[in-house]
Amino acid sequence: GEDVEQSLFLSVREGDSSVINCTYTDSSSTYLYWYKQEPGAGLQLLTYIFSNMDMKQDQRLTVLLNKKDKHLSLRIADTQTGDSAIYFCAEKDGGFKTIFGAGTRLFVKA
Amino acid sequence: DGGITQSPKYLFRKEGQNVTLSCEQNLNHDAMYWYRQDPGQGLRLIYYSQIVNDFQKGDIAEGYSVSREKKESFPLTVTSAQKNPTAFYLCASSIGNANEQYFGPGTRLTVT
Repeated sequence: GEDVEQSLFLSVREGDSSVINCTYTDSSSTYLYWYKQEPGAGLQLLTYIFSNMDMKQDQRLTVLLNKKDKHLSLRIADTQTGDSAIYFCAEKDGGFKTIFGAGTRLFVKA
Repeated sequence: DGGITQSPKYLFRKEGQNVTLSCEQNLNHDAMYWYRQDPGQGLRLIYYSQIVNDFQKGDIAEGYSVSREKKESFPLTVTSAQKNPTAFYLCASSIGNANEQYFGPGTRLTVT
């Protein structure tokens, strides 16, 4: 079945860039998403990209999509302590479901 | 303010009891979802509903039931048949082709 994989942890220093990577298996994915979850809260949609795009930029966030390798990344520029959270990669399958990865926990050191 | 509300935030139940988790949205979204989140795992889909009076099983529907009598409401019942019900439950809604999902704050259910 479809699968979305991401590394579990990432640690960066405040002010550096963070890059969170994700791979997926479903070649019929139409949309790919990045969500953020703070402790004890629901998920917040950060950004999404349509599968025929290579890149999307939104303020400090840059999403890169390599459809051939089924690789998605999220770059956060000038990472702040408030960016510490769990980041979920997700993809919309060819039907109606969204498949989520296990999440990458980002630690930002002051 | 538009959004999704889930209540209660924390819920405690004894084993063998059914419990119903509330999810309400005022975003006028057609589709609604229930997910379960366990530590170190991604979200797993329990049930989803694309329209009022219609819903489909997700990947882990066993031991759960839902109803969708109103567009705004999608309650989830965790039955005594669910073998491991302790988890964080998230409700979401979406609209449009991009299926951007908007999540509620979650309900943490503990069954002892």
